[in-house]
Amino acid sequence: DAKTTQPPSMDCAEGRAANLPCNHSTISGNEYVYWYRQIHSQGPQYIIHGLKNNETNEMASLIITEDRKSSTLILPHATLRDTAVYYCIVRVWSTPLVFGKGTRLSVIA
Amino acid sequence: GAVVSQHPSRVICKSGTSVKIECRSLDFQATTMFWYRQFPKQSLMLMATSNEGSKATYEQGVEKDKFLINHASLTLSTLTVTSAHPEDSSFYICSARDSSGGRGEETQYFGPGTRLLVL
Repeated sequence: DAKTTQPPSMDCAEGRAANLPCNHSTISGNEYVYWYRQIHSQGPQYIIHGLKNNETNEMASLIITEDRKSSTLILPHATLRDTAVYYCIVRVWSTPLVFGKGTRLSVIA
Repeated sequence: GAVVSQHPSRVICKSGTSVKIECRSLDFQATTMFWYRQFPKQSLMLMATSNEGSKATYEQGVEKDKFLINHASLTLSTLTVTSAHPEDSSFYICSARDSSGGRGEETQYFGPGTRLLVL
């Protein structure tokens, strides 16, 4: 069973913020939310992760709802190079990442 | 982020031959590494988990005698596809876990992938 639900595709105008939603309504208390992306024909790239607090790094911000049942990855100023498949993954410490289908983000000039 | 390398990036081989793919963590030690496979237009599928110095754990449906995994050091894991056949053609991606951040803060970093084509 999929632990996360993401829209299959999204478009975003270059320079605008890209907001990628993820539903993880069955998340348990010891599961972290991880975001990765995969640019065509490359290995996945780590973006950010969090447990319950919002997180920000040089790449993106992660907003997790108070009940932890959903989250949003925010790319503040999307560029063409951000076009990729974005994966939201929940996992317990020490378990491997299991990938779903992700969201295909297309950044449009 | 941490860097994981893979070699070769692309390999073409004849049916029945064996192919070895190397995965290295360049700036951190990885007690645990993972191997994934990705077919065109599909997501990554976990094949196996390897821990340094012990036998790999394979996911259901993955033949351990066909996909030999060795994790002999904290920075190197190898995947050998034995007696490769055209249906083994795929994109193979390794991943290494960086545990330096402590419990719960482990992050998996991925290599660039190896594209295998078996003729």
